[in-house]
Amino acid sequence: NAGVTQTPKFRVLKTGQSMTLLCAQDMNHEYMYWYRQDPGMGLRLIHYSVGEGTTAKGEVPDGYNVSRLKKQNFLLGLESAAPSQTSVYFCASSYNADRDTDTQYFGPGTRLTVL
Amino acid sequence: QQPVQSPQAVILREGEDAVINCSSSKALYSVHWYRQKHGEAPVFLMILLKGGEQKGHEKISASFNEKKQQSSLYLTASQLSYSGTYFCGTESVHDRGSTLGRLYFGRGTQLTVWP
Repeated sequence: NAGVTQTPKFRVLKTGQSMTLLCAQDMNHEYMYWYRQDPGMGLRLIHYSVGEGTTAKGEVPDGYNVSRLKKQNFLLGLESAAPSQTSVYFCASSYNADRDTDTQYFGPGTRLTVL
Repeated sequence: QQPVQSPQAVILREGEDAVINCSSSKALYSVHWYRQKHGEAPVFLMILLKGGEQKGHEKISASFNEKKQQSSLYLTASQLSYSGTYFCGTESVHDRGSTLGRLYFGRGTQLTVWP
């Protein structure tokens, strides 16, 4: 199993450009999450999904959109990139949060720079 | 809802012990501990559930004090490989009923082990 994978690993954008980050998992997990990580801030939740076709806002959703058309994929979109969105983006997934012992497994991250 | 971690940074010699604390203002259902090496994804260490249990993982263990709404991570006889940033992720009792699986992460504790 590859686990959680993210594409691309690195990206540089100019202000106003758009892009989509792809997260894929092969563990048949129901729940998927997008976080951003900035120095000294920890991990902050952008959006998450509790199943195919469903999405919900996290702590810092502004400027981002998501879609979960297939269970194994979770896409994060930036319609008009801003320098404030320069960050490292992590995707995570969990099997089913109904189970007490379930936790989140993280992808390798995407380092995004917006000039 | 973000938990507070202390200390922010720890510097140790190999073989020394360390304690990292994670405190919440909310009644906690679960606490998840992760370690992140520089430039890598967070890696799951262990989960503690409401009930105040203590768990162990090699020479790394943790406790969960429900009354104090706090968890502590214990690293004994530290090794060079323990270096990294440790994060706690918390799920509150309140959120358990409405936002299953959603975790709030602390800002992290940077642990450096010197030979």
